[in-house]
Amino acid sequence: GENVEQHPSTLSVQEGDSAVIKCTYSDSASNYFPWYKQELGKGPQLIIDIRSNVGEKKDQRIAVTLNKTAKHFSLHITETQPEDSAVYFCAASRNRGGSNYKLTFGKGTLLTVNP
Amino acid sequence: DAGITQSPRHKVTETGTPVTLRCHQTENHRYMYWYRQDPGHGLRLIHYSYGVKDTDKGEVSDGYSVSRSKTEDFLLTLESATSSQTSVYFCAISARDITSYEQYFGPGTRLTVT
Repeated sequence: GENVEQHPSTLSVQEGDSAVIKCTYSDSASNYFPWYKQELGKGPQLIIDIRSNVGEKKDQRIAVTLNKTAKHFSLHITETQPEDSAVYFCAASRNRGGSNYKLTFGKGTLLTVNP
Repeated sequence: DAGITQSPRHKVTETGTPVTLRCHQTENHRYMYWYRQDPGHGLRLIHYSYGVKDTDKGEVSDGYSVSRSKTEDFLLTLESATSSQTSVYFCAISARDITSYEQYFGPGTRLTVT
């Protein structure tokens, strides 16, 4: 089955700096890669996703890049703010005919943005 | 939380007792999932459903059963709770059609088995 590795497990940055979180996946058939943000005591919130037919996607201060050959994808947050502090999860799934569309998650990255 | 409610939000129970957690959605989405979240393990899939009365196992299904008699409700049952099932449980939903792969999560249920 799919295996997703996420690094780093903790990341501390100064407000205004950029943050990068990286994930690798094992199943070359995976074609959907979402990122979730989880604040304390809440459920994971989908913040951005990318499909395998796209190399990069941006949404304001957040971007995701995908390298299918190397089987890794990354989350980039620019101009970080204290409210970006949370746990971030990457995930991967195979969304093709006959598949079961299950998400496999990385173990998470605790991002702390220091004022 | 994308029209998803979970009940109860917190529960403390004793080892050996049965427990049922409920997930209710108002989005009419076809797919529903149950995950557990534990420190150091991230989110792991327990069971999922791809339609009324259609369910399948995830990676950590031992000790759990599910039922879906209506599109809007997905129940997770621990037949005889054990301390290893102390966790935070999340329900998720997905339309899973050709244009939408997104999966949305509920607020979670914190279960403690003593």
